Amino acid sequence: TQLLEQSPQFLSIQEGENLTVYCNSSSVFSSLQWYRQEPGEGPVLLVTVVTGGEVKKLKRLTFQFGDARKDSSLHITAAQPGDTGLYLCAGYSGGSNYKLTFGKGTLLTVNP
Amino acid sequence: KAGVTQTPRYLIKTRGQQVTLSCSPISGHRSVSWYQQTPGQGLQFLFEYFSETQRNKGNFPGRFSGRQFSNSRSEMNVSTLELGDSALYLCASSLLGPPNQPQHFGDGTRLSIL
Repeated sequence: TQLLEQSPQFLSIQEGENLTVYCNSSSVFSSLQWYRQEPGEGPVLLVTVVTGGEVKKLKRLTFQFGDARKDSSLHITAAQPGDTGLYLCAGYSGGSNYKLTFGKGTLLTVNP
Repeated sequence: KAGVTQTPRYLIKTRGQQVTLSCSPISGHRSVSWYQQTPGQGLQFLFEYFSETQRNKGNFPGRFSGRQFSNSRSEMNVSTLELGDSALYLCASSLLGPPNQPQHFGDGTRLSIL
């Protein structure tokens, strides 16, 4: 069973601070996705990374896929209260097994 | 463009009963995947349907089943409900399915077992 470990599990910061969320595995993933989920809603896809070492930027969010495609990070610059939510990483292991494996998430609270 | 619609939004059942949940994908999407989300286990893959055929299945007991209709709408059924089946059940649709197509999630059905 391929697992994705996310850390930290909970994060509470003040508006304007920077933060990094990590997603690690002992397995190689062919691609990795990051989602944000708000209370009472389904997850919303933020980004997909597919190449080892890839860095993608989405406004104040920076996503990085590890060289070995076993880990990823999400960095948020100058966090805002609207960034509050559950951040989930998810990956496909490749081959013909198209089961999306999710981490348990990082619950981020940004206080005004 | 309408998003993924799941009905009902909330459901309360008792142990031993069975339940059917419905998912209407985004128009034109042919792949529908189902997930169970609980605080302890997070999001876990149940199964994926494409053109009325189950293509992938997660590690859940046979009490969990699903189907997809010719219009791509999907239903999942859980029989002989147990307390541990209390969860948020999410479905996601995509144009052609994993792994290269982005999935669009509905807002889920919250199932509570008494």
